Amino acid sequence: AQTVTQSQPEMSVQEAETVTLSCTYDTSESDYYLFWYKQPPSRQMILVIRQEAYKQQNATENRFSVNFQKAAKSFSLKISDSQLGDAAMYFCAYRSGETSGSRLTFGEGTQLTVNP
Amino acid sequence: GAVVSQHPSRVICKSGTSVKIECRSLDFQATTMFWYRQFPKQSLMLMATSNEGSKATYEQGVEKDKFLINHASLTLSTLTVTSAHPEDSSFYICSARTGGAEGANVLTFGAGSRLTVL
Repeated sequence: AQTVTQSQPEMSVQEAETVTLSCTYDTSESDYYLFWYKQPPSRQMILVIRQEAYKQQNATENRFSVNFQKAAKSFSLKISDSQLGDAAMYFCAYRSGETSGSRLTFGEGTQLTVNP
Repeated sequence: GAVVSQHPSRVICKSGTSVKIECRSLDFQATTMFWYRQFPKQSLMLMATSNEGSKATYEQGVEKDKFLINHASLTLSTLTVTSAHPEDSSFYICSARTGGAEGANVLTFGAGSRLTVL
């Protein structure tokens, strides 16, 4: 079974600074997808960014980018120019590349605090 | 974009009663929906996969008689917590696959339902 590990229960960053959230995963599959979701106090899960394992290029969405190291099974999230609205719980998630299902396996989460 | 509506957002019930939570895909058809449970300050744990027109697939350790799932249409899945007890108090979140070649890899989440059993 696949597992996702986030080793940082809490992180903090100063507004306008950059922060990196860590995520590692374990799988024997070669085809899969990785995601970062944000869960603000409203509890609504919001997709931040996703990465297809077959793509070597790291995904980027505005201030959010990932460092995908397939061999090391590492998938970190970098938030640049942090904003107060970035404060939330961030979950790393794994999805198998099989088309028979879209179930996600989540990491434990990292609570990000943004200090003004 | 795709929207998943979940209702109710909060529900309080007495121990021994049953509670139904609805999950609707508003602008797309969802053949597959997923139900997650989240305890405070913890991650999301998949409870079951809901498939339109067929029985749900439950994760190991989840009581199918306790958590009844019905996916009778392409836009609605329901989770019924039967004979609820205080330990069933939790945050329940549904998600739906948007479908299509590209969309098949994207899950959209509902806003969640907080269940409190007294």
